[in-house]
Amino acid sequence: GAGVSQSPSNKVTEKGKDVELRCDPISGHTALYWYRQSLGQGLEFLIYFQGNSAPDKSGLPSDRFSAERTGGSVSTLTIQRTQQEDSAVYLCASSFPTRPAAEQYFGPGTRLTVT
Amino acid sequence: AQSVAQPEDQVNVAEGNPLTVKCTYSVSGNPYLFWYVQYPNRGLQFLLKYITGDNLVKGSYGFEAEFNKSQTSFHLKKPSALVSDSALYFCAVRDRGDSNYQLIWGAGTKLIIKP
Repeated sequence: GAGVSQSPSNKVTEKGKDVELRCDPISGHTALYWYRQSLGQGLEFLIYFQGNSAPDKSGLPSDRFSAERTGGSVSTLTIQRTQQEDSAVYLCASSFPTRPAAEQYFGPGTRLTVT
Repeated sequence: AQSVAQPEDQVNVAEGNPLTVKCTYSVSGNPYLFWYVQYPNRGLQFLLKYITGDNLVKGSYGFEAEFNKSQTSFHLKKPSALVSDSALYFCAVRDRGDSNYQLIWGAGTKLIIKP
């Protein structure tokens, strides 16, 4: 596709359930980022994948959060045993990081609501 | 440590008036600087970036930003605001000497343009 896509666009889940969020980056983009954004607030970095390098997981808030990127393309963010404080919009972005000053291209986000 | 400050949580401007959204940064080396915009219920969109050269950068939708090295600032400007410019604006920076390709994000400024 022409842009970054994310699915689902909305997810409502019960507290304690696991959820999986998917991100399809722009074809050929080697870098992929996950962010979390609470309502109308700033971006909270979660995790960064670059090519075949080990991901930077420094932003993951707890061990309930994990992410993988298969084949250097699609990425899945998994939240286990969801809590109400996990409710937020989860944004995915991709880029060509080795280009000078490469901008990040964002998907539309997944709005997660934990009830 | 690298950081970005957007000192105003909200900026209110009357339609037709000039607007400025402020951003200051701190990096150890020379920066790449970015502005993104987030319209209501949508993902982030790239507006403009500073790489090198002319300190005045022009971007999408009539926006421009001025890089000021001595003041470590990169304020976003537009000569005549439109109601449709109302959105959340994010400033971001990356130290061009940093092998970590992540961006450091400001907290965002809500711009409200009143008719």
